[in-house]
Amino acid sequence: DAKTTQPPSMDCAEGRAANLPCNHSTISGNEYVYWYRQIHSQGPQYIIHGLKNNETNEMASLIITEDRKSSTLILPHATLRDTAVYYCIVRVAQSNTGKLIFGQGTTLQVKP
Amino acid sequence: EAGVAQSPRYKIIEKRQSVAFWCNPISGHATLYWYQQILGQGPKLLIQFQNNGVVDDSQLPKDRFSAERLKGVDSTLKIQPAKLEDSAVYLCASSRAREKLFFGSGTQLSVL
Repeated sequence: DAKTTQPPSMDCAEGRAANLPCNHSTISGNEYVYWYRQIHSQGPQYIIHGLKNNETNEMASLIITEDRKSSTLILPHATLRDTAVYYCIVRVAQSNTGKLIFGQGTTLQVKP
Repeated sequence: EAGVAQSPRYKIIEKRQSVAFWCNPISGHATLYWYQQILGQGPKLLIQFQNNGVVDDSQLPKDRFSAERLKGVDSTLKIQPAKLEDSAVYLCASSRAREKLFFGSGTQLSVL
């Protein structure tokens, strides 16, 4: 599985969009980009995933560059409850193992 | 839909003692994972089951850690004997084959 690089921390003002970047320059053609987040004292929570095209769901949007070497998770209107560690993971979704390999993630602090 | 259940929520033991953690995955989820999360780090996969068979245990310290999933549903993770460096949160996750993972809240282990 390819490795990812994320900034260790970011701040965002409440109500503004939070844009979390992720570099995955060694991603393979069959690897998806997954985002999970972990709120304090809880287990990680799935947010969104994508292969090539941009994706949007009720939680966030995922923008993947055309060369697939980087992506951005967008929380359109951040709230205090979005304060968490955000993990960007690349994974072969159709593999038999399907395991997630977590890095250090980005700690997002949403401020009033 | 009920989530992944784990118990106990907290456990404090002395080094060289033994400890066991229990996990009940989401109904119908064939794949079960145990992760170890040391403070300040991302979760690290210890073992992955597909039904009651082991798919990946390459990161499990087999001299002291063991895990089983006898009937393909519940799972237990055991440490015997515990060391100080085993202090961590132990997370259980489950998924349908090749789909997103759902995590429990974890068991926080302190080894004194």
